[in-house]
Amino acid sequence: DGGITQSPKYLFRKEGQNVTLSCEQNLNHDAMYWYRQDPGQGLRLIYYSQIVNDFQKGDIAEGYSVSREKKESFPLTVTSAQKNPTAFYLCASNRDRGDYGYTFGSGTRLTVV
Amino acid sequence: AQSVTQPDIHITVSEGASLELRCNYSYGATPYLFWYVQSPGQGLQLLLKYFSGDTLVQGIKGFEAEFKRSQSSFNLRKPSVHWSDAAEYFCAVRPGNNRKLIWGLGTSLAVNP
Repeated sequence: DGGITQSPKYLFRKEGQNVTLSCEQNLNHDAMYWYRQDPGQGLRLIYYSQIVNDFQKGDIAEGYSVSREKKESFPLTVTSAQKNPTAFYLCASNRDRGDYGYTFGSGTRLTVV
Repeated sequence: AQSVTQPDIHITVSEGASLELRCNYSYGATPYLFWYVQSPGQGLQLLLKYFSGDTLVQGIKGFEAEFKRSQSSFNLRKPSVHWSDAAEYFCAVRPGNNRKLIWGLGTSLAVNP
């Protein structure tokens, strides 16, 4: 079955470390998105990519970086510049035409220790 | 600015009771409208969507939603709630040709036995 795979499910980061969250999709979707979710704040867009080798900042891009070298993959790096990285991170994708709904991964919970 | 409002942060209903979750949006034209559900620690699952046509939309898990242009609303309903419906519900809007969704802050649903 097609879908989005996020890994790992749980991730622990020490202060000052960079960590990379993986997002892979086999849906042949063009666009991919990264969201951050904190209690009571809904979903906030970090970065999105509509095509390979291109991506745009979302509303809260500071302290994060992404790459889109392959259509299937959209990894997110949480850098040491992100001062409050503890959150639930969701990856999503959708097609260019037709169905405009998003498909989501199951999320990665990042905790700073 | 375009926005989505879910007026109820938290709702508690008894099992077997009917449910209505409210969603209002701010956008000049008719947008694409979505409802998603999220179980704790999981990703989001699409319940239903409205693009055009019949304003009453049927979704999965027995949910339906009605688009009312005059009220800029897209309320989610279910005639009889089951304990497994306890989750977070998000309304989202996609304005025009922009792929990015605008999200409400969510409504947390608790179901009493």
